[in-house]
Amino acid sequence: GAVVSQHPSWVICKSGTSVKIECRSLDFQATTMFWYRQFPKQSLMLMATSNEGSKATYEQGVEKDKFLINHASLTLSTLTVTSAHPEDSSFYICSAASGLSNQPQHFGDGTRLSIL
Amino acid sequence: SQQGEEDPQALSIQEGENATMNCSYKTSINNLQWYRQNSGRGLVHLILIRSNEREKHSGRLRVTLDTSKKSSSLLITASRAADTASYFCATDGNNRLAFGKGNQVVVIP
Repeated sequence: GAVVSQHPSWVICKSGTSVKIECRSLDFQATTMFWYRQFPKQSLMLMATSNEGSKATYEQGVEKDKFLINHASLTLSTLTVTSAHPEDSSFYICSAASGLSNQPQHFGDGTRLSIL
Repeated sequence: SQQGEEDPQALSIQEGENATMNCSYKTSINNLQWYRQNSGRGLVHLILIRSNEREKHSGRLRVTLDTSKKSSSLLITASRAADTASYFCATDGNNRLAFGKGNQVVVIP
């Protein structure tokens, strides 16, 4: 099956630090990548949708200046949590889609972000 | 928006038993997908059923879709300890997925 690599798998850093998370599709071209946030024992909440070469579309309530998304190529999207604070601590998951209809998304293994 | 809703949310069964989970949604869909998530990991795609399909099988998995009732079910037959995970349904309405709350399934060896 399709492979999506997400890095790093966990990050612990001080408040005020900016953290970059990478999401790579290893064996297919991902025209669209998605970024989700998941709190403990809860479902996935879509944060934003990014299409290669264009600006990301953010969901309501998600601060675009706080969560910077770049989708520079068909295999790489990055999420940067700027000036992270403890309330940004969460599990962040990316997924990639080929853009074809009726095809599943392929998920990375997630990044556990802990802000002290 | 999160529109899928699974019921029940927690299920504990003995190995070898069947596990059934339900999911309901509110709007029209292109397809409905089921995913599994092991603790602390990403999601693994299990099965996708299109809006014009009523039933689909994949190994020990059986998914049904009733678009008139806007509901779906996932059946895992002959469960194994390795099936212990959280299971999410997700509806695809415009190439964006809306996830349900998830079912935590524990299979006791």
